[in-house]
Amino acid sequence: EVQLVESGGGLVQPGGSLRLSCSASGFTFSTYTMHWVRQTPGKGLEYVSVINNNGRSTYHADSVKGRFTISRDNSKNTLYLQMSSLRPEDTAVYYCVKDGSGGWFFDYWGQGTLVTVSS
Amino acid sequence: QSALTQPRSVSGSPGQSVTISCTGTSSDVGAYNYVSWYQQHPGKAPKLMIYDVTKRPSGVPDRFSGSKSGNTASLTISGLQAEDEADYYCCSYAGSYSWVFGGGTKVTVL
Repeated sequence: EVQLVESGGGLVQPGGSLRLSCSASGFTFSTYTMHWVRQTPGKGLEYVSVINNNGRSTYHADSVKGRFTISRDNSKNTLYLQMSSLRPEDTAVYYCVKDGSGGWFFDYWGQGTLVTVSS
Repeated sequence: QSALTQPRSVSGSPGQSVTISCTGTSSDVGAYNYVSWYQQHPGKAPKLMIYDVTKRPSGVPDRFSGSKSGNTASLTISGLQAEDEADYYCCSYAGSYSWVFGGGTKVTVL
């Protein structure tokens, strides 16, 4: 059974930093592209970042480019999102998401971790 | 990219059919057959319902179907059931390793 468990969320002041982690199990982590998607309270979903299976290719949405960095450690089956220069508008639930097999979609989502940026 | 456009809400009685539209542009929905749909119940993570416009993952009831015409994709729920009441989000690949989501549609079963 595929499991994605996020951690690292919490309350942080504007301008602060936070690192999210996602522990993966139930599939061969090192062979899949992984993503972060966020959802603002009461609102919709927003694509954040992607990293390919070996970690050599990444993409970040314009809204977080230069502030967020996605990375992975395949030896630990763990995905990361380093967030810095946080803004109130970054307040959201952050989901760790597995890439669909052979496709451009997302087949498994974690339960999410809440990040609140507020003074 | 701008978010894909979905109606804020749709409703139907049990057994009826409802269709949710998802309008994008020639750079996302119109450019790729990579539209997916996700169901989200309150307090839960999204769940994949349709991928590659029309494909259903194992375990998703066949009353859920997807289609696309030009820059607009659609999700149809036939034979609406109480457990289908949820938020639904469309998503399209937009090139250069980027994706764009719709704003979400709340489906209410009357």
